[in-house]
Amino acid sequence: DADVTQTPRNRITKTGKRIMLECSQTKGHDRMYWYRQDPGLGLRLIYYSFDVKDINKGEISDGYSVSRQAQAKFSLSLESAIPNQTALYFCATSDLAGVGPDTQYFGPGTRLTVL
Amino acid sequence: RKEVEQDPGPFNVPEGATVAFNCTYSNSASQSFFWYRQDCRKEPKLLMSVYSSGNEDGRFTAQLNRASQYISLLIRDSKLSDSATYLCVVNMETGGFKTIFGAGTRLFVKA
Repeated sequence: DADVTQTPRNRITKTGKRIMLECSQTKGHDRMYWYRQDPGLGLRLIYYSFDVKDINKGEISDGYSVSRQAQAKFSLSLESAIPNQTALYFCATSDLAGVGPDTQYFGPGTRLTVL
Repeated sequence: RKEVEQDPGPFNVPEGATVAFNCTYSNSASQSFFWYRQDCRKEPKLLMSVYSSGNEDGRFTAQLNRASQYISLLIRDSKLSDSATYLCVVNMETGGFKTIFGAGTRLFVKA
């Protein structure tokens, strides 16, 4: 089984709809992240959480919200989706408690299309 | 100026060739550095962390030059399976966490 899972894998929705993307991990990591990727651009950080009670905005948090329901679960919500939120969304986890740099492990991605 | 910049390529090389990618970063407070590999429409996967002393993993060698603020990735004896996009990643923890991904360099290895 995959260590980091995302649901749904693909979603098509309409402008104005509320959407939730979910991420679960079995790695036991404290840190979790949400990114979006657009063609020709690098991954951009939306929100991150270093433990269950810690939520931080990333580079592009406007229009998004998150919830860290448990150590293993981190969900991303689009309260009112708009077409320029069409992108590939990735969840990632990491564990600074390990030896060495803080390596991130990614889920398979959710392809979201907003019409 | 972007905080992390990479040559987008594409680099088209024959099998067996040696190819090198560079990545520059603008913030001297950057603390940790990585190369990730991303196949089309798939998630990024760690290729290697990058240390000041340089590090090697099989055909792959990574170098960090803090004075000039760049990191490099050298791939020797290229394989068809090396075709992918290579992402440079820079992290900072001091004064607030920041992780910046480069836009990636496309590599095509031809038979």
